[in-house]
Amino acid sequence: QTVVTQEPSFSVSPGGTVTLTCGLSSGSVSTSYYPSWYQQTPGQAPRTLIYSTDTRSSGVPDRFSGSIFGNKAALTITGAQADDESAYYCVLYMRSGIWVFGGGTKLTVL
Amino acid sequence: EVQLVETEGGLIQPGGSLRISCAASGFTVSTNDMSWVRQAPGLGLEWVSVIYSGGATFYADSVKGRFTISRDNSKNTLYLQMNSLRVEDTAVYYCARATKVHYMDVWGKGTTVTVSS
Repeated sequence: QTVVTQEPSFSVSPGGTVTLTCGLSSGSVSTSYYPSWYQQTPGQAPRTLIYSTDTRSSGVPDRFSGSIFGNKAALTITGAQADDESAYYCVLYMRSGIWVFGGGTKLTVL
Repeated sequence: EVQLVETEGGLIQPGGSLRISCAASGFTVSTNDMSWVRQAPGLGLEWVSVIYSGGATFYADSVKGRFTISRDNSKNTLYLQMNSLRVEDTAVYYCARATKVHYMDVWGKGTTVTVSS
């Protein structure tokens, strides 16, 4: 059973920089997992932020960036704003054809 | 406009069955990979199932053998047939279009399925 790990919660000051990570319970995340990132506010459908590790989805501000950081995928928010306070989810594509979401990170901006 | 609209879910007793659907507009379901994702109350997103454009289907272990994903090309609609429902299947179910580089780029607004006696 593959488990995708994310920090349960994180806090950042307005204007600050935060890096959220997405790892595997066993092994390293690489670009071949096509990591993608989604933002979700309560009661809303997810919004796609980043795909294929580091490509921003249409309309996503450039303060959001994706990368591989060590053995994990990473989402960095540079110059955090109040409306960035959301839950962030990564999902990895497994070569077996299935997808696995991480547990999500609840980001607080204060 | 590219859009996905799920039908209304419902309240189902444990052990019961329900089919939810997702009507697409602005693109063709049969030539795209399509997925279902769910979110239990207060919890995170969980990938449920995918149907690839070639017809192959895959399921999360939690629903394998109970749920079936399918599509109707003439109606441009995606379905999820849910059998042997359990209380833990209670969730908002989202349909999503999945691209060839393995991410979900279009999401429906979601439909609520409640399994309770």
